[in-house]
Amino acid sequence: QKEVEQNSGPLSVPEGAIASLNCTYSDRVSQSFFWYRQYSGKSPELIMSIYSNGDKEDGRFTAQLNKASQYVSLLIRDSQPSDSATYLCAVDNYGQNFVFGPGTRLSVLP
Amino acid sequence: DGGITQSPKYLFRKEGQNVTLSCEQNLNHDAMYWYRQDPGQGLRLIYYSQIVNDFQKGDIAEGYSVSREKKESFPLTVTSAQKNPTAFYLCASTLTGTGDEQFFGPGTRLTVL
Repeated sequence: QKEVEQNSGPLSVPEGAIASLNCTYSDRVSQSFFWYRQYSGKSPELIMSIYSNGDKEDGRFTAQLNKASQYVSLLIRDSQPSDSATYLCAVDNYGQNFVFGPGTRLSVLP
Repeated sequence: DGGITQSPKYLFRKEGQNVTLSCEQNLNHDAMYWYRQDPGQGLRLIYYSQIVNDFQKGDIAEGYSVSREKKESFPLTVTSAQKNPTAFYLCASTLTGTGDEQFFGPGTRLTVL
């Protein structure tokens, strides 16, 4: 059974700081990796997808992938109170479906 | 606007009843998925379908059933065999079902009375 783990939260950072969210996965053959943001009571929304080793930047968000270490992270620069949410890491399962991690709750303090 | 719709937003069920949750997409996506989310937990896969008239069980299929008669529709039935159905149910879709980006509907919150 493929497993996806995330750093336990909640994670609290001051406004303007960098928030670092981490995710590890068990299956070395995974090819697609995703970060979702989920506000309380709402459905997940896609923030980033990453498929190749290295960094991928989109605005204040940077996803980092290291397939050799089976590790994917999400950095949020200049964190804002509106970034306070639960962040879900998802990994493809042999291209058939997806496995989600338990999520990390982030609080950005004004 | 293209997107995924789920109905109803809130659903209340008495014990012993079957209920059906609707999921419709107009994105022309091939693959559709149903997840269950319990408070403070991640998403668990119930069923998924990569093509019309075909679907596969996910990790927690017991007590649930689905159909995929049309590309745009993937309804989920929560049967009386599901012992603890109170949860937030999320429907999602992807273009090809081969590891590309997955998009979610707004969800249905089911409560058993």
